[in-house]
Amino acid sequence: AQRVTQPEKLLSVFKGAPVELKCNYSYSGSPELFWYVQYSRQRLQLLLRHISRESIKGFTADLNKGETSFHLKKPFAQEEDSAMYYCALRPIQGAQKLVFGQGTRLTINP
Amino acid sequence: EPEVTQTPSHQVTQMGQEVILRCVPISNHLYFYWYRQILGQKVEFLVSFYNNEISEKSEIFDDQFSVERPDGSNFTLKIRSTKLEDSAMYFCASSATSGMWYFGPGTRLTVT
Repeated sequence: AQRVTQPEKLLSVFKGAPVELKCNYSYSGSPELFWYVQYSRQRLQLLLRHISRESIKGFTADLNKGETSFHLKKPFAQEEDSAMYYCALRPIQGAQKLVFGQGTRLTINP
Repeated sequence: EPEVTQTPSHQVTQMGQEVILRCVPISNHLYFYWYRQILGQKVEFLVSFYNNEISEKSEIFDDQFSVERPDGSNFTLKIRSTKLEDSAMYFCASSATSGMWYFGPGTRLTVT
């Protein structure tokens, strides 16, 4: 069965501090991993996906198949990063569904 | 930038009633989805729809649920005989190709 675990429901850091949102997955094959973000009163939007290997809004995430993790990192947090972050897995190429984690609410304190 | 839209933003219904949640996907997209999020829980996949038929569905998507693309623009989720546990946020999504989902703002369904 596919599962995505985000161990922290809440994470609070100070502005300018590094931030890491943890995501672990459980899947026997080679999944595709995503991070989605939901700012206050806005819709879910794609932040980044592991296959594109980009940095969006200063965030990066590396897929570690050995540790089955896809942690989201940013070296210097900004207040506008406060949001709900969801890690998601697409089980196989061509699969139509995303399997989401519980989400982590990130709060950046001034 | 084009967006997925959903109506209504909030729907209140009595237990046992039927509800239809509406979505307008992005116009050139070919894949359509419904997800739901019960308060405090994770976002869960319900169903995907492609080429006028269901392409994948979850265990949650039982006979109580149905989807339809009645015309060239709308994509609907019908819930027959609603139950209290159907109360949730329902998200519609669409994609041009398989794998890049664009989500709507959601419809909050409250069953009383």
